[in-house]
This record gives sequence, C-alpha cells and structure tokens, in this order.
Amino acid sequence: AAGVIQSPRHLIKEKRETATLKCYPIPRHDTVYWYQQGPGQDPQFLISFYEKMQSDKGSIPDRFSAQQFSDYHSELNMSSLELGDSALYFCASSLPGQGDGEQFFGPGTRLTVL
Amino acid sequence: AQKVTQAQTEISVVEKEDVTLDCVYETRDTTYYLFWYKQPPSGELVFLIRRNSFDEQNEISGRYSWNFQKSTSSFNFTITASQVVDSAVYFCALSMEYGNKLVFGAGTILRVKS
Repeated sequence: AAGVIQSPRHLIKEKRETATLKCYPIPRHDTVYWYQQGPGQDPQFLISFYEKMQSDKGSIPDRFSAQQFSDYHSELNMSSLELGDSALYFCASSLPGQGDGEQFFGPGTRLTVL
Repeated sequence: AQKVTQAQTEISVVEKEDVTLDCVYETRDTTYYLFWYKQPPSGELVFLIRRNSFDEQNEISGRYSWNFQKSTSSFNFTITASQVVDSAVYFCALSMEYGNKLVFGAGTILRVKS
C-alpha cells in the first residue's frame, strides 16, 4: 500500500541557509500535517493543511512557511536556519471525516544544521 | 488546553516480562481520540491504536493490550511477554477530533534485555 513520502530523507545545512522539505500524502488524503521532533523530544505540531488551505497552526517559527499544492503535496520552507532547527521533521496525512481518524506518518526528514 | 503525561521516562525489563506504559491525559472536550505510537531506533512513527472517548472497551491485539479509563483519564498500554524487538520509544497522543493535530506525551523509552 502507498505510504506518505518525504524527501529528502536526510539534509545537512549551514546556519542561515534555507531548506525545503517535501511531503507527498497518501493518494486521496487531503489533509497534511507537519511535526518537528527535536533530539529526545516528542513530536510538536507545526502546521496543517486541508484542501490546500491552512487549517491549524502550532508553534511554527516565523522563519518557516508551508503550503499545500493542487496535487496535495506539501512543502515546508525554512529560512535563516539555526542550530536549534536540527530535528526530525515528520509529515502525516489523513482523510478527515472518514476511516478511523488515523494520521499516517511519513518516515521523516532528518535535518542537521551545522 | 490538552495535555498528555507519560510519567515513566524509561523502563527496562528482561525479555518475557510484562510491562505497562502509563498515559494520563487532560482535556475539557467530551469528544476526543487517544493514540499510541511506537518509534523504534530507526525513527519512524508506527501507529498502534486509536480510541475515541465514547469507547471505553479495552482492546487486545496479540501481545498488546490497552486499558482506557475515563474516570481516571488514563489510557495505559501493556505488552505481555516482552521481546527485544519491543525496545523503542512509545508515545501516547491525544487529538480533539478528526483532522485535528496530535498532542503527544513526552514518550517512554522501553528497553527489553535478552
């Protein structure tokens, strides 16, 4: 069965650089969520999109922006990277209102900022 | 506000022992969903179970079982006859409704020794 795809899987950047993380949801899933998991931490919700519109926003820094495109894939853009941005970034997708409400997580993108 | 507390930071057991991971949640909503996820050393988040607030029936799936008690706001997870492959970080999570963000607990590191 198709799963959530995230690219790249690993990314190394320097401080003050920019990074773009991509997420391809499961086909027919119209909701995408982004979570950030710092070392030894639990995943923290950043932002979500439903039908290409932002549906909820968490503790996402102003330096980050995200959007969902017409094909439902989503991109998380991160600028002026800081050491503290080093984390595992998860994307999840779901089909709200149907199924069992489960969010299907991608494998994550591990971002390292040097 | 919603909150999930996993008081056990780390648990070590010997293979074949039973182990229970505790989860206590806080919410003012009457409709909510509880989840357990497993995060093995490889880093991905593996969905284990979802429960809605109206279904207090306990569930068993192989060596895994869950005990949901609204009276104590707890959703505990028991692994029977633990195995080394069960070693992972286990997260309990809460969401308010379908299509809503997950609020995670801090996680419990489970180490199963042979």
